[in-house]
Amino acid sequence: QTVVTQEPSLTVSPGGTVTLTCAPSTGAVTSGHFANWFQQKPGQAPRLLISETDNRQSWTPARFSGSLLGGKAALTLSSVQPEDEADYYCLLYHTGAYVMFGGGTKLTVL
Amino acid sequence: QVQLVESGGGFVQPGGSLRLSCAASGFNFHDYYMNWIRQVPGKGLEWVSYISGSSTSKYYADSVKGRFTISRDNVKKLVYLQMDSLRVEDTAIYYCVRDFRRIFGDLWGQGTLVTVSS
Repeated sequence: QTVVTQEPSLTVSPGGTVTLTCAPSTGAVTSGHFANWFQQKPGQAPRLLISETDNRQSWTPARFSGSLLGGKAALTLSSVQPEDEADYYCLLYHTGAYVMFGGGTKLTVL
Repeated sequence: QVQLVESGGGFVQPGGSLRLSCAASGFNFHDYYMNWIRQVPGKGLEWVSYISGSSTSKYYADSVKGRFTISRDNVKKLVYLQMDSLRVEDTAIYYCVRDFRRIFGDLWGQGTLVTVSS
């Protein structure tokens, strides 16, 4: 059974840059996976940040960007702010399972 | 107002049933696939099921196949999740989520908690 892997946790300093990645156990991520990225803060529903690999939503700050990097989907946060501390989930469209979520990355801003 | 509002969660014993509802407003409901996503508190997200706009296509995660049934009423702008033969491991917050042409989850409900316990 396919598993989608993300870094369990990452720490970044305010003002720094960090890249979160997402990859299925079956191989490389392509544009055909239409990777979506979500941010979730405690007690809240997830919020869509990036759709279709690299499309920022109207409410998504410009410091968030999506890409494909070395066979993985990637979410890069630049000039990280304290309010970016949250859990981040990727989602891949995947034949046979419709969509699959990654296990999530807990981002600490410290 | 563009929103999704879930209801129907609660406490149920193993083997029991619940029906979740999700009321949509403020958008062309019939244009959207609708999904149920669940999350054990403190854990990750799990996709559960989707239904196409016309109800012609439905799909389930292996973990719920044969026990859960998704349906929708485009006139009332409601989507349902009938959950039968519930197990302890079905305990989670259940979110109603829309998707449209590979843009998944630009709108989520607030979630409804389902607790399965003896």
